Formats: sequence, C-alpha cells, structure tokens
Amino acid sequence: DIQMTQSPSTLSASMGDRVTITCRASQNVVDWVAWYQQRPGKAPKLLIYKASSLQSGVPSRFSGSGSGTDFTLTISSLQPDDFAIYYCQQYITFSPTFGQGTKVEIK
Amino acid sequence: EVQLLESGGGLVKPGGSLRLSCAASGFTFKNFVINWVRQAPGKGPEWVSGISSSDASTYYADSVKGRFTISRDDSKNTLFLQMDSLRVEDTAVYYCAKDDGWFKPSHFDHWGQGVLVTVSS
Repeated sequence: DIQMTQSPSTLSASMGDRVTITCRASQNVVDWVAWYQQRPGKAPKLLIYKASSLQSGVPSRFSGSGSGTDFTLTISSLQPDDFAIYYCQQYITFSPTFGQGTKVEIK
Repeated sequence: EVQLLESGGGLVKPGGSLRLSCAASGFTFKNFVINWVRQAPGKGPEWVSGISSSDASTYYADSVKGRFTISRDDSKNTLFLQMDSLRVEDTAVYYCAKDDGWFKPSHFDHWGQGVLVTVSS
C-alpha cells in the first residue's frame, strides 16, 4: 500500500493566518490526491481532488498543489469554521489510502 | 440533494457477523462507485471496500479481504457490507461514501453520517 505522511500533526494558528499542510506519498501518485476536512463528530468533507481542483461549494480560500510525491493544502486566511482535522488521500491504486491527519487548532 | 443513510451497526462478539446497509437518494445510484470507509476511535479514515457501477467489480482493503463482502442493489439504490469473522480491530464508525467516478475507488464527494460497529466480548 502507498503510505501518505502528513506534517505537521498539529498546527496552532490564529484567525486570518495563512496555513499550509504538507503530505508526502511513499511513491509517485502523479496528481491523484484529495484533501478532506473533518469537524468533530462529523463525516469527512471533500475539499480538493486531483491535487488542485476545488470541490463545488468549497470556499476559494482553500487551495491544493503538488505532483509526484509532494502535495500541499493551503488555507489563505483561517476562518472559525476551519479549525478541524485535515486528511490527504491518494487514489492512484485500487486501494485508496489516507494520511494520519493534521489538526488545526486555535493558538 | 445527495443523501446516504447507513444502518445495521451495533455490538457483536469477536468472530461474529453483521450486515450494514446504505440507502442512497438524490443521484443516479447505478452510475457511481460506492464505498465503505471506516474510522476507528481517534484515528484517521481507512478505506474498506468499493464496488463499481459498470460491472459491479469489487475492491477490498487487505485488512478485510476474505472476511467482508460488498454488494449493491441498483433497483433499490442500496449498498451492503456483509462483515464476517469480525475482530476487535474492526471496531469503528463505518461510513458509506459516494465516489466521483464509475470505474474504481477514487475520491469521495458525499458521505453518510456513519454507523458504529463495536466488536467486543
């Protein structure tokens, strides 16, 4: 299985901050990467697919980039709803795998 | 509006069986891959299984292969997961997740609210 490693595990930030989360794949996944947001007690929500495509209805302050093995999720200006856990996921194989998550908390 | 509603969870002893269902609405069910994704307490999501729309090809994570069986009834817009030989490590919230594609598991654009499966003696 392809391993997805996120960093940092926890990120403390303030409202309005620019935040970047990174995800590294254990092998080349081209651009077959998605990003999800999960709030407590809720199901994950798709934010980004194919590394940089914004899912319909997701605010434009979210953006994704990268290719090959290194990917990033950026939130341009942190809002109250953005304090949550974020997961990357690869889907180049027949067996998708997720990263371990990055918790964005209030500083 | 896309809706996915899971049912069938509960408490079961190790070695036991359970059958989960997912009732879908708000989209053309037969045209999409549908998946089960689980999340153990305090852990990240883990993809479990998916079933294609075209020829009902099935896909499984190594951790459940040979124990779980995914199926779909397109006439009833319903997805199933038969879970046999359950282990303590199968304890998790199980989500039904609609795929964005039709061929193989990819990314998941809509999720249900989840159903808890607890495997314990």
